[in-house]
Amino acid sequence: QVQLVQSGAEVKKPGASVKVSCMASGYTFTSYAVHWVRQAPGQRLEWMGWINTGNGDTKCSQKFQGRVTITRDTSASTAYMELTSLRSEDTAVYYCGRKTYGAYWYIDLWGRGTLVTVSS
Amino acid sequence: QSALTQPRSVSGSPGQSVTISCTGTSSDVGGYNYVSWYQQHPGKAPKLMIYDVSARPSGVPDRFSGSKSGNTASLTISGLQAEDEADYYCCSYAGNYILVFGGGTKLTVL
Repeated sequence: QVQLVQSGAEVKKPGASVKVSCMASGYTFTSYAVHWVRQAPGQRLEWMGWINTGNGDTKCSQKFQGRVTITRDTSASTAYMELTSLRSEDTAVYYCGRKTYGAYWYIDLWGRGTLVTVSS
Repeated sequence: QSALTQPRSVSGSPGQSVTISCTGTSSDVGGYNYVSWYQQHPGKAPKLMIYDVSARPSGVPDRFSGSKSGNTASLTISGLQAEDEADYYCCSYAGNYILVFGGGTKLTVL
């Protein structure tokens, strides 16, 4: 079954870091890019960045530059998104999504999301 | 990169048609034919409904259609059904390998 399986919910204190994983199954991991999108409670979808799973190149939203690191482990067919210096405003559901390489700028497969709660 | 502008809410009765607009700039919506639309039911992940302005993925009913004029893209849902009630988000390529989403529109089926 073609799917993206994300890690479980996390609770973190302000100032801490969180690392969310996204494991691909049912397709060749390195044939598609992985994007990260977050959604704060009751708020809009917000694009964070993406990784070329083949060569590891990344591009992140200016908003998160310096705080977000996107990596991948091809042997595990897994992408990771690490967000540092967490604050309460980072409380959100974090989604990973799959994108075809080339001029295909849409996400055709989404993970179920990982809730990250930042609270003291 | 600023979010694309969508109406906060739209509504329609079963069987009617509704259109959701998505306004950007010449640097995103107006500059590329890479607008996509996503449907999101409460507590669920988004689902791709339209890509490349007007293309429909396999399995999406042809009641859903997309278009674009200048810096504004639109999603039209005809023959409204109860299960269409959801949040809808537009998304556009904004150059330099960046995506930008809209603010989201809540569709209510009366």
